[in-house]
Amino acid sequence: DIQMTQSPSTLSASVGDRVTITCRASQSIDDWLAWYQHKPGKAPKLLMYKASRLESGVPSRFSGSGSGTEFTLTISSLQPDDFGTYYCQQYNRYSPVTFGGGTKVEIK
Amino acid sequence: QVQLQESGPGLVKPSETLSLTCAVSGYSISRSFYWGWIRQSPGKGLEWIGSASHGGNTNYNPSLMSRLTISLDTSKNQFSLNVNSVTAADTAVYYCARDDTAMKGLEYWGQGILVTVSS
Repeated sequence: DIQMTQSPSTLSASVGDRVTITCRASQSIDDWLAWYQHKPGKAPKLLMYKASRLESGVPSRFSGSGSGTEFTLTISSLQPDDFGTYYCQQYNRYSPVTFGGGTKVEIK
Repeated sequence: QVQLQESGPGLVKPSETLSLTCAVSGYSISRSFYWGWIRQSPGKGLEWIGSASHGGNTNYNPSLMSRLTISLDTSKNQFSLNVNSVTAADTAVYYCARDDTAMKGLEYWGQGILVTVSS
């Protein structure tokens, strides 16, 4: 199976800060990577797919980049509603789906 | 608007079978896509369980495969999850989702249902 490693596991930042989360795959997944935001008691929400494509309705302050084994999710200007845990997920068709361990984002 | 809603017992005894159903509205599951399940154990991250297509194809998490069945009921526009021989380690919030394996990944999700395995 392809292992997905996220960093950091937690981060605390202020409103307006630029925030970057990294996801590393144990082998190449091309751009078969999605990012989700998960808040307690709610369904996870798709933010990005195919590494860099913004899901409809998601604010443009979110962006994704990368291919192969290294990926990043960036929030250009952190907002109060952006708290939660962020997960990357690989969905390479040749391997079982796997998630990263999550990055908990807290607002200072 | 595609909506998914999980249902099933909130408490299952060890060694028994966990059975959940996901009702889909706003889209016919017989048209396309895979339909899948994901879970989150207390204090842990998300774990993909598996998915099934209207054409009868299934993809399962290798660590759970021997205990899993995911099936579609197109007449009721719903799909189901069965996990047999459960233990306390299967206690989790279970989510159903539409799985767009060809493009977007897990685009639509249900709200989740907590299943506790305990005697």
